[in-house]
Amino acid sequence: GAGVSQSPSNKVTEKGKDVELRCDPISGHTALYWYRQSLGQGLEFLIYFQGNSAPDKSGLPSDRFSAERTGGSVSTLTIQRTQQEDSAVYLCASSLELAGYTDTQYFGPGTRLTVL
Amino acid sequence: AQSVAQPEDQVNVAEGNPLTVKCTYSVSGNPYLFWYVQYPNRGLQFLLKYITGDNLVKGSYGFEAEFNKSQTSFHLKKPSALVSDSALYFCAVEKRGSQGNLIFGKGTKLSVKP
Repeated sequence: GAGVSQSPSNKVTEKGKDVELRCDPISGHTALYWYRQSLGQGLEFLIYFQGNSAPDKSGLPSDRFSAERTGGSVSTLTIQRTQQEDSAVYLCASSLELAGYTDTQYFGPGTRLTVL
Repeated sequence: AQSVAQPEDQVNVAEGNPLTVKCTYSVSGNPYLFWYVQYPNRGLQFLLKYITGDNLVKGSYGFEAEFNKSQTSFHLKKPSALVSDSALYFCAVEKRGSQGNLIFGKGTKLSVKP
């Protein structure tokens, strides 16, 4: 079946502009995650949506970052007033929810964000 | 603090030889451990995981990993490396008390030469 898809694959923006990154999870997966991959920081957790529960936002680096998930499916990560240090590959993943632990997370191809 | 360490930035191995990519972890309680692989300009692909049970876990593409509780390690292995195995490998542990939050190691670049 179809995997996790992300759009756009590449985004170049100017400092100070807002950007929206989209993630379509695997059908039937109720858990959705956002990570950021950058040269200096490696892979960092950003946010986690689990079913109808409040999202775990503990990894968001600043209040310029926000994410929402509509209808329990598609998610959008928004970065306001982008800064050059926001340049990175933003990865989305989804999984089933199992009692007590995380099931395997399946990752999308990522969105490469470049802030000029 | 919970963490994952991959002590080698790069591992070089000749095709046909066995390979090992090292991972150690620090986590309270029983860990849930994962290996992912990333090919150039691609997302992460799941290889295998340890949740409970047999310490030797078999995964995709002929890879396996051994959970060693006393050494807090979860090394990735393959008996015979292929050139196509060349990629970036990440070890990860699920952060306790924050289900869904994976803590990743910094990655190990595997280079397999013909």
